[in-house]
Amino acid sequence: KQEVTQIPAALSVPEGENLVLNCSFTDSAIYNLQWFRQDPGKGLTSLLLIQSSQREQTSGRLNASLDKSSGRSTLYIAASQPGDSATYLCAVPQRSGNTPLVFGKGTRLSVIA
Amino acid sequence: KAGVTQTPRYLIKTRGQQVTLSCSPISGHRSVSWYQQTPGQGLQFLFEYFSETQRNKGNFPGRFSGRQFSNSRSEMNVSTLELGDSALYLCASSLEYPGVDTQYFGPGTRLTVL
Repeated sequence: KQEVTQIPAALSVPEGENLVLNCSFTDSAIYNLQWFRQDPGKGLTSLLLIQSSQREQTSGRLNASLDKSSGRSTLYIAASQPGDSATYLCAVPQRSGNTPLVFGKGTRLSVIA
Repeated sequence: KAGVTQTPRYLIKTRGQQVTLSCSPISGHRSVSWYQQTPGQGLQFLFEYFSETQRNKGNFPGRFSGRQFSNSRSEMNVSTLELGDSALYLCASSLEYPGVDTQYFGPGTRLTVL
């Protein structure tokens, strides 16, 4: 059974810092991995989708890496801003591509001005 | 292109009642998934519909049901509400496969059961 863990559960950093959020999963036979952002009381916004054949995916100040063999992904946020404050969740398919996503419980990020 | 829309945004019900939530996916998306989000359990998968057929189902009791219409719009129904059903219900759409294509989420319906 696929399980996804995100550490730390919460993180507080001063504005301008570079930071790394971690995600680990138990079954490395994944099709892809997605990172999402959720603002309080809102839905999820897709940030990056990284295919299993890729090692990295970048969007603006965000960079996601994937190491399937070790069951890990990291989300790197450069030059953090107060607007980056949110909960970040990672998700992988349960099994094959035609299965629903399994989510971690997220990392709650606070960027202090 | 319009995003995923969910109605209503907020609901307050009492125990024993039933509720219907609605989701309109992004135009052209055929897969619609439903999730329940609570502080303790996080995001848990309820079910997924594709071309009016339930393709995947999570581990929830039969009180939770859903359907999808020919225009891909989806509804979920919860009967005999319990206090523990209070949660944010999120709908997501994708082109065909939720585990392959990017999933786009709606703003959610906040259900409070008193």
